[in-house]
Amino acid sequence: NAGVMQNPRHLVRRRGQEARLRCSPMKGHSHVYWYRQLPEEGLKFMVYLQKENIIDESGMPKERFSAEFPKEGPSILRIQQVVRGDSAAYFCASSPRGSGHSYEQYFGPGTRLTVT
Amino acid sequence: GNSVTQMEGPVTLSEEAFLTINCTYTATGYPSLFWYVQYPGEGLQLLLKATKADDKGSNKGFEATYRKETTSFHLEKGSVQVSDSAVYFCALSANQGGKLIFGQGTELSVKP
Repeated sequence: NAGVMQNPRHLVRRRGQEARLRCSPMKGHSHVYWYRQLPEEGLKFMVYLQKENIIDESGMPKERFSAEFPKEGPSILRIQQVVRGDSAAYFCASSPRGSGHSYEQYFGPGTRLTVT
Repeated sequence: GNSVTQMEGPVTLSEEAFLTINCTYTATGYPSLFWYVQYPGEGLQLLLKATKADDKGSNKGFEATYRKETTSFHLEKGSVQVSDSAVYFCALSANQGGKLIFGQGTELSVKP
């Protein structure tokens, strides 16, 4: 059973460009979470999605960031008009269920975004 | 709000030394508690978890006990190895939907 897959692993963008990060959850998992790890900091929750629904986006910056998890295909985290402060590692995690907070989350290897 | 506080690193130990990484939390209700490990350049791996008070999570020689009276979940290992060098994150999940709230991470370096 393949684990959580993220691509690309490394992404370089110039200021003002768009970044698209993809996450394919583990087989059978319908819940996806995105986290951001800024340099020298811990991981911060960004958004929680189920298929075709955003459940909790309380950690998403109000502007330029959006996420989706369509019925078919991977979850996408989109950052428009990137700035240097967006440089970070972005991790995706999946779980088989979201309700009931003891369910484990399985993390992907991350996408390391560098904005030049 | 809910939060997790870990002891600051880096922690440097010699091989076979005893390890303790402190973790305390603030949460309403009864959160689930986790330790994750991150090796260089990789994602996070679940190391152990505990879902209720007095539960002990254990894996690969690591242990942590959920102490509600002291709101703590300290990570311990009796004899560390060089291969244990990594960053360790304490985390809690308290809400429906299970989003994780992480501590700032503690870097462990084990020297031969």
